[in-house]
Amino acid sequence: DQQVKQNSPSLSVQEGRISILNCDYTNSMFDYFLWYKKYPAEGPTFLISISSIKDKNEDGRFTVFLNKSAKHLSLHIVPSQPGDSAVYFCAASAGETSGSRLTFGEGTQLTVNP
Amino acid sequence: NAGVTQTPKFQVLKTGQSMTLQCAQDMNHNSMYWYRQDPGMGLRLIYYSASEGTTDKGEVPNGYNVSRLNKREFSLRLESAAPSQTSVYFCASSPQGNYGYTFGSGTRLTVV
Repeated sequence: DQQVKQNSPSLSVQEGRISILNCDYTNSMFDYFLWYKKYPAEGPTFLISISSIKDKNEDGRFTVFLNKSAKHLSLHIVPSQPGDSAVYFCAASAGETSGSRLTFGEGTQLTVNP
Repeated sequence: NAGVTQTPKFQVLKTGQSMTLQCAQDMNHNSMYWYRQDPGMGLRLIYYSASEGTTDKGEVPNGYNVSRLNKREFSLRLESAAPSQTSVYFCASSPQGNYGYTFGSGTRLTVV
């Protein structure tokens, strides 16, 4: 039972355009959401997060949007750069009931073409 | 450099062999985790240790055991390797109650 789903295995965009990566979740107990970025032969690295009390969080070129009623979140990258090419994982936590455990999605391979 | 160190980086095992994956962190983090990454399945939690002296099962614990040797080290043992355990294994750590995981660079394990 995949509680966090990223339905697009891959996404290709042109440099300078917007990249939108999507993530859906089923567990209504999830209250904290994160995006991790992974380059080949490296471990994932933390990118940006959002608490369920917010619907938007920005950090430079990266913005995460949360729609709790739809159980959906998205990561926007504007403008996209070739160095953003990586696998992006969405992750979620059920707060105090799960300690610090994260449930990850399947990942989306983003390719930004020069 | 500070971070999470995993050894070995690559390993090939025959079915039925045993091995231990090592993980050490030098950030004084309380919590440590073992995940496996498989194509189309993302990262799945095998075991975790919320603090020194405690360990708990994650989503996919069967076939594995763990030891939290001290605050720095958290090892993952495969007692009798199976081809289904072919995967990339990641160790991570975090301050207790914090979701900002720091991951190691992974161990690519192939069981033939």
